[in-house]
Amino acid sequence: DQQVKQNSPSLSVQEGRISILNCDYTNSMFDYFLWYKKYPAEGPTFLISISSIKDKNEDGRFTVFLNKSAKHLSLHIVPSQPGDSAVYFCAAFYNQGGKLIFGQGTELSVKP
Amino acid sequence: KAGVTQTPRYLIKTRGQQVTLSCSPISGHRSVSWYQQTPGQGLQFLFEYFSETQRNKGNFPGRFSGRQFSNSRSEMNVSTLELGDSALYLCASSLFSGTDTQYFGPGTRLTVL
Repeated sequence: DQQVKQNSPSLSVQEGRISILNCDYTNSMFDYFLWYKKYPAEGPTFLISISSIKDKNEDGRFTVFLNKSAKHLSLHIVPSQPGDSAVYFCAAFYNQGGKLIFGQGTELSVKP
Repeated sequence: KAGVTQTPRYLIKTRGQQVTLSCSPISGHRSVSWYQQTPGQGLQFLFEYFSETQRNKGNFPGRFSGRQFSNSRSEMNVSTLELGDSALYLCASSLFSGTDTQYFGPGTRLTVL
C-alpha cells in the first residue's frame, strides 16, 4: 500500500528551465510534507517542507505547492541547474503516525 | 558537528547468513530511524528508536530487528538473509522524533548472493 506516490521515475530538463516534480498521496490524515534530495553515494538531505495549512512554500529557487483537495504536491525548481541533478523524494507524515512515509523517488537530470 | 555515520559502507553476504549494521547519530540527537531503499520502492521505513526503545515499526518481517544504546548509537540486524534483502540501508537521526527534520547517513549497501 503505497500511501505516497511519485509516478515519474525520471525527468530530464534543460538548464535554466523549470523542473516540476510531482507527488500524490492517499492518506488524508497527512499534515506535513517534505522533499528530500539524494545524490549518489550520499544519504538524502532535507530540501523544503510544507504544512497542510498552507498551499505554497518558497525557499530561493525551490517552491512547493500543495493541493489538498487533489491530494497532490509538487516541487518547482526555477531556474534548474546541472547541480540539481539528483533523486528527489517526497515524504509525508501525520503527528499520530509518528513516522515519515516516502515516495519512490524521481531522478532529475538537468542538461547543460 | 559530525554528521550521521554508518558502518560498514558495503557488505556482501550469502543467503541464510545474518548481518549487523551500525549507525552513529549526530551528537545530541536521540531519535534514530532506519530505512530500506530499493529501486522502484523508495525509502521503506523499518523502525525508529528513542531512548533505547523502539517507538515505531514498519511492515517488515521479524528477521529485521534493531536496538539503540544509551549513547544513542543504533544497530540493525537482519537474520536469515534472503536475496530480496539486497538494498541500501539508511539511518537517519533527529533531535526527538522521527518526524523532526531527519539527517541521513550515507547508507550501507548490502548485497546478498
